[in-house]
Amino acid sequence: QLQLQESGPGLVKPSETLSLTCTVSGGSISSTDYYWVWIRQPPGKGLEWIGGIYYSGNTYYDPSLKSRVTISVDTSKNKFSLKLSSVTAADTAVYYCARRVRGAVPGWGQGTLVTVSS
Amino acid sequence: QSALTQPASVSGSPGQSITISCTGTSSDVGSYDLVSWYQQHPGKAPKLMIYEGSKRPSGVSNRFSGSKSGNTASLTISGLQAEDEADYYCSSYAGSSTFEVFGGGTKLTVL
Repeated sequence: QLQLQESGPGLVKPSETLSLTCTVSGGSISSTDYYWVWIRQPPGKGLEWIGGIYYSGNTYYDPSLKSRVTISVDTSKNKFSLKLSSVTAADTAVYYCARRVRGAVPGWGQGTLVTVSS
Repeated sequence: QSALTQPASVSGSPGQSITISCTGTSSDVGSYDLVSWYQQHPGKAPKLMIYEGSKRPSGVSNRFSGSKSGNTASLTISGLQAEDEADYYCSSYAGSSTFEVFGGGTKLTVL
């Protein structure tokens, strides 16, 4: 059974770069069926797409975050990563990594809270 | 402001049926049969309940059903149970530029 686990700092200072990694286990990140995606949820608010990556490296980003987001994949380590630059308090959220197939997200990580504060 | 519009809240009594709407545009919901619905309990990750508009993943109760008419998708829950009380989100593919969009979420209260 495929599992995903987010890891990274839980506290990031304003203007710095948020970095998270998602480790995929129980399956290959090189599967041609999936996009590997990042989704976030600010406290008490709804879900927001950040973007995703195919195993080949093709990426897509939400237009509202595109200028600050980089998603990368390391197929040798079965991991993919998120970098979000120039963060502000508005970027405080639970960040989920997940796999997407044909528009649906059937597999989610447990989520990790990242707080932006000095 | 979310790209897809959902009612902020709906409620129903045990055993009743409720429907949650998800209104988009001809650029997303209206153009693709790629609407998904997610259930989220407090403090938990979302769970996929419906994909491709009307399909249920294995293990999801057949009390949950999805449909679409024009630019509006709908999630119907029949035979409401206490454990259905949760937040529900719709999502749609929106083309190669925007890719995906979520609704703002609907809080379901089982009275």
